[in-house]
Amino acid sequence: NAGVTQTPKFQVLKTGQSMTLQCAQDMNHEYMSWYRQDPGMGLRLIHYSVGAGITDQGEVPNGYNVSRSTTEDFPLRLLSAAPSQTSVYFCASRIAGGSYNEQFFGPGTRLTVL
Amino acid sequence: DAKTTQPNSMESNEEEPVHLPCNHSTISGTDYIHWYRQLPSQGPEYVIHGLTSNVNNRMASLAIAEDRKSSTLILHRATLRDAAVYYCILRDNTGNQFYFGTGTSLTVIP
Repeated sequence: NAGVTQTPKFQVLKTGQSMTLQCAQDMNHEYMSWYRQDPGMGLRLIHYSVGAGITDQGEVPNGYNVSRSTTEDFPLRLLSAAPSQTSVYFCASRIAGGSYNEQFFGPGTRLTVL
Repeated sequence: DAKTTQPNSMESNEEEPVHLPCNHSTISGTDYIHWYRQLPSQGPEYVIHGLTSNVNNRMASLAIAEDRKSSTLILHRATLRDAAVYYCILRDNTGNQFYFGTGTSLTVIP
């Protein structure tokens, strides 16, 4: 199993550009999520999905769009990048439901918006 | 609003026990307490979780106060590989939202 994979590892954008951060998992997990981590801070939830076709907002959703067409993939779209979106982005997945479900995190995408 | 409060940093000598505290005074009755750690340039990894009772696993122990307003992660014998940022996290009752704090950066001294 590859676990949770993210591409690209690094990306530099100019203000106003759009891009999609890719996330895929091969563990058949229903739940997937996106976090951002700013320097010296903990992770903050952007969006999450409990299954194909179902998405919802987290703590900091503004400026980001998501969709979930398959169980395996959960892309994060920035429609018009802003310098405030410079951050490290982590994707995570886990089994949905239950009292305990360990989250598995990807290696992260480091995004810089100039 | 911050849901958990942790010291910014702690140090421990190698092979000694480490007690990492966390305050979560606004915890609700259905919130689970999770601990994750993040090694440099990596994504977080699960350490342990609990609801009301103390918990043990191969990595660590979790001691939860009787009123659940605080908890302590215990590493029984710190190794150099345990140097990381440790996050105390509350998981909401839907299980869908995790609230990370700012974490404690643990330095292990050889």
